[in-house]
Amino acid sequence: DGGITQSPKYLFRKEGQNVTLSCEQNLNHDAMYWYRQDPGQGLRLIYYSQIVNDFQKGDIAEGYSVSREKKESFPLTVTSAQKNPTAFYLCASSIGGVRYEKLFFGSGTQLSVL
Amino acid sequence: GNSVTQMEGPVTLSEEAFLTINCTYTATGYPSLFWYVQYPGEGLQLLLKATKADDKGSNKGFEATYRKETTSFHLEKGSVQVSDSAVYFCALSENNLFFGTGTRLTVIP
Repeated sequence: DGGITQSPKYLFRKEGQNVTLSCEQNLNHDAMYWYRQDPGQGLRLIYYSQIVNDFQKGDIAEGYSVSREKKESFPLTVTSAQKNPTAFYLCASSIGGVRYEKLFFGSGTQLSVL
Repeated sequence: GNSVTQMEGPVTLSEEAFLTINCTYTATGYPSLFWYVQYPGEGLQLLLKATKADDKGSNKGFEATYRKETTSFHLEKGSVQVSDSAVYFCALSENNLFFGTGTRLTVIP
């Protein structure tokens, strides 16, 4: 079955540590996205990528980094510069470029700070 | 700018009750409107959408009508089930995807 796989489901970060969240899709979608979800708030866009080796900052990119070396994969690194990293992180993809009206979401990763 | 305002929760209903979750929006152009559902511990799933004024989106017994005159996209269901318990997000798409804050629905038997 095609879909978006995010791993791990739960992740813990120590102070000053970088952590990487995995997102893999086998939908052959061109564009991929990372969103952050905080309790009682809507989703906010961190980064998005329209094609391989290209990505753009979203609304809250500070303290995060991404890479897009393969079409299927769009890992997100939460760096030590992100002072409030505890949140639920959602990866999404869409076919045919950046199409916000046609997003498919993964099941998310809950990141917590120890 | 673009924004979405939706009814704050939580909402608790008995099974078979009527559901309305209000959503209003502000947009500079002519956005598409969406309702997403998030079940516990999962990502978001598209529930329904409408792309222009007076369109009605529907799925799984849920409905919402794109009302340009009132800038609203209220979600309704005539008879909720326990399995409908989830968080519901209203969103609009116009060069980005703007989400409301979510409304948690709990349906009790």
